[in-house]
Amino acid sequence: GAVVSQHPSRVICKSGTSVKIECRSLDFQATTMFWYRQFPKQSLMLMATSNEGSKATYEQGVEKDKFLINHASLTLSTLTVTSAHPEDSSFYICSAGTIPGGGDYGYTFGSGTRLTVV
Amino acid sequence: KQEVTQIPAALSVPEGENLVLNCSFTDSAIYNLQWFRQDPGKGLTSLLLIQSSQREQTSGRLNASLDKSSGRSTLYIAASQPGDSATYLCAPHDYKLSFGAGTTVTVRA
Repeated sequence: GAVVSQHPSRVICKSGTSVKIECRSLDFQATTMFWYRQFPKQSLMLMATSNEGSKATYEQGVEKDKFLINHASLTLSTLTVTSAHPEDSSFYICSAGTIPGGGDYGYTFGSGTRLTVV
Repeated sequence: KQEVTQIPAALSVPEGENLVLNCSFTDSAIYNLQWFRQDPGKGLTSLLLIQSSQREQTSGRLNASLDKSSGRSTLYIAASQPGDSATYLCAPHDYKLSFGAGTTVTVRA
């Protein structure tokens, strides 16, 4: 089945530094990737949608200069949290699909990244 | 904007009972709907995908129905086991996935 690999699973960084999170589709071409943020005991909040080769579309209220998303190939998307601060500490999850709407297989999620900014 | 509501928010049952998890959504113009399971601190595992033209989908002890016109989907889990304890999320697809708060299930041994 479709597999999405997300790394790292956990990262601790100092305030003011940048952190990059990778999301790779291992056995399919991910035309569309989504990045979510999840606060404790809350549901997933969509941050942005990225299509291969184009600029990401950010949801309202998400700072695009702070959360840089790159989807340079059909198998890799990255989320970079720039100048991280403690309030950026959260669980970040990516998902990938082959076509808009998910097609016959839906969307596959990565295992998530727990970011802690100290 | 798609709004997703899941009822109940939490459910605790003894092992062996059947579970019924409800999901409603406001915009019926969807491609399909996906049910996921999330264990604490983990990512999401896809359980079932129902296309907009389908009424239901089954996998093992899981069965999900979809009534697109009324904006409802129901996930049935038969003969629950302690390993079914998790948070269950439904996500209608209208180009992007929208999530509700989920139903947290606890199955007691």
